[in-house]
Amino acid sequence: DAEITQSPRHKITETGRQVTLACHQTWNHNNMFWYRQDLGHGLRLIHYSYGVQDTNKGEVSDGYSVSRSNTEDLPLTLESAASSQTSVYFCASSENLAGGGTDTQYFGPGTRLTVL
Amino acid sequence: AQSVSQHNHHVILSEAASLELGCNYSYGGTVNLFWYVQYPGQHLQLLLKYFSGDPLVKGIKGFEAEFIKSKFSFNLRKPSVQWSDTAEYFCAVNARTGRRALTFGSGTRLQVQP
Repeated sequence: DAEITQSPRHKITETGRQVTLACHQTWNHNNMFWYRQDLGHGLRLIHYSYGVQDTNKGEVSDGYSVSRSNTEDLPLTLESAASSQTSVYFCASSENLAGGGTDTQYFGPGTRLTVL
Repeated sequence: AQSVSQHNHHVILSEAASLELGCNYSYGGTVNLFWYVQYPGQHLQLLLKYFSGDPLVKGIKGFEAEFIKSKFSFNLRKPSVQWSDTAEYFCAVNARTGRRALTFGSGTRLQVQP
């Protein structure tokens, strides 16, 4: 079955360190998204991509970057981790509407990141 | 820009009680509407979605939602909740054209007491 996986599931790091969170989907979806979930805020969009070599900033992109070198993966990098980036991070993917996709997003299991 | 408001942050019900969770969105164009559920310790799962057609949509596990365009609302309902419905519920919206990313409400935590 197609799926979307994230790794690691839990990560503790120190302020100032670079951290990369992996996201891998086997749906062959063009669209991929990164959200962070914080109490009282729901999920907020960090970055998104519509295809290989395409990346776009979301509402809370400061301090984060992504790259899309293939269809399956969209790693999220925290350039210099800060305590304010302690959160749960969710990756999601959806089909390309032009290809008849339904626009439904499928979510990974999440990565809980703690920055000390 | 889109925004989504969920009026109830924490709801406590007894089993067999009826449920209605409010969701209102703000956007000038045509939207797709979603309800996701997050069970404790798990990732988000799609409950139901509205794209077009019948404004009353049925989802999994006996949930339904009604899109009322004039009120910019998409409230979630279930006639009789079960203990297993204890979870956090998120309303989300994206524009029918343009950016595909979702805008989420802040969520409603539902606690069902046996």
